[in-house]
Amino acid sequence: EAGVAQSPRYKIIEKRQSVAFWCNPISGHATLYWYQQILGQGPKLLIQFQNNGVVDDSQLPKDRFSAERLKGVDSTLKIQPAKLEDSAVYLCASRDLKSYEQYFGPGTRLTVT
Amino acid sequence: GENVEQHPSTLSVQEGDSAVIKCTYSDSASNYFPWYKQELGKRPQLIIDIRSNVGEKKDQRIAVTLNKTAKHFSLHITETQPEDSAVYFCAFRGSTLGRLYFGRGTQLTVWP
Repeated sequence: EAGVAQSPRYKIIEKRQSVAFWCNPISGHATLYWYQQILGQGPKLLIQFQNNGVVDDSQLPKDRFSAERLKGVDSTLKIQPAKLEDSAVYLCASRDLKSYEQYFGPGTRLTVT
Repeated sequence: GENVEQHPSTLSVQEGDSAVIKCTYSDSASNYFPWYKQELGKRPQLIIDIRSNVGEKKDQRIAVTLNKTAKHFSLHITETQPEDSAVYFCAFRGSTLGRLYFGRGTQLTVWP
């Protein structure tokens, strides 16, 4: 089966600019996650969707980050405006409701200068 | 908030030796404990997981043990090979919303 797809793979922006990331989960996976992975740390959950509804966004900095999954398939994560500390890899993952296993995409490496 | 402590942060072993990574978690009601391997610049990949109803699970050279009373779980890699070199993350599934909480990772280096 095709894996989780993400784009772009790399992005360099200046602080205060905006950026958007896209994720296409594995077909049929109802649950989708966005994680932030700062260099040298484990992934940290930003937001979890089940179909097109938000399950958990308690760790999402809502003053600058937003995410949507309008049709319950693809998702976008946006940062506006970006700060230097947002430099990280943004990972998308998806899961079938019948399993606990999460499958990760290749990630988007964001550098904010 | 929930958290997981992972040790050691770095581990160097000779090829053929064993490697052990340990984690302690906070949520006593958690029922799922995965381990992920992440090679440099690549995505995390699940290598083994364990549910709370068993104490040990093996898959060829890797095994995971779980002590629910002490809230500890460990990854054991035997007969290590250079291709085992990577960062390993433990995680546990929170019982409230089902999110995964990840450790900070262990950089394992296997010297030939």
